[in-house]
Amino acid sequence: DIVMTQGALPNPVPSGESASITCRSSKSLVYKDGKTYLNWFLQRPGQSPQLLTYWTSTRASGVSERFSGSGSGTYFTLKISRVRAEDAGVYYCQQVREYPRTFGGGTKLELK
Amino acid sequence: EVKLVESGGGLVQPGRSLKLSCAASGFSFNDYWMGWVRQAPGKGLEWIGEINQDSSTINYTPSLKDKFTISRDNAQNTLYLQMSKLGSEDTAIYYCALGGFDYWGQGVMVTVSS
Repeated sequence: DIVMTQGALPNPVPSGESASITCRSSKSLVYKDGKTYLNWFLQRPGQSPQLLTYWTSTRASGVSERFSGSGSGTYFTLKISRVRAEDAGVYYCQQVREYPRTFGGGTKLELK
Repeated sequence: EVKLVESGGGLVQPGRSLKLSCAASGFSFNDYWMGWVRQAPGKGLEWIGEINQDSSTINYTPSLKDKFTISRDNAQNTLYLQMSKLGSEDTAIYYCALGGFDYWGQGVMVTVSS
């Protein structure tokens, strides 16, 4: 199985600042079609996860431009610009390159 | 509007079975892969498995393959998760999701306890 490892944030993050979350995979997530199959989710307290980005950097429908995904191969970053109260929660990366799909352990974002 | 509504959760004794349902609406159900994800209390997300449009392909996470069975009824727009030999480690919120994970249900709680 592909192991996904997420970094921590220096919480709390001041409102209006930027925050970057890292995610590393134990194997390259590049598929033979050239796409990199990495998703990012936000789970707000008491809510279901929400897809933020897919294929590493494509924002899901309705997702703010403040969220930007980047990376390649085995190293990925989700940057949140101008952090707001509604961004608080736990962020998860997930690989969908192969089965079984696997999630990172989550990174909590707390706001100051 | 896409809606996924899970049901069938509750308290179940260890060793027993339980079947969850996920009622889908607002999209053409038989055109999409569907899947299940669970989350133990205070823990992260765990992918359980997914099923393709005509049920010809079903993938599971290896540790659950012998306990859980995913199925669907396209005529009823419903996804199912049959769980057997339940143990305390299966206590979790169970979510159904559209194949691309862009839509999720609200989740249903399953508690395994005597």
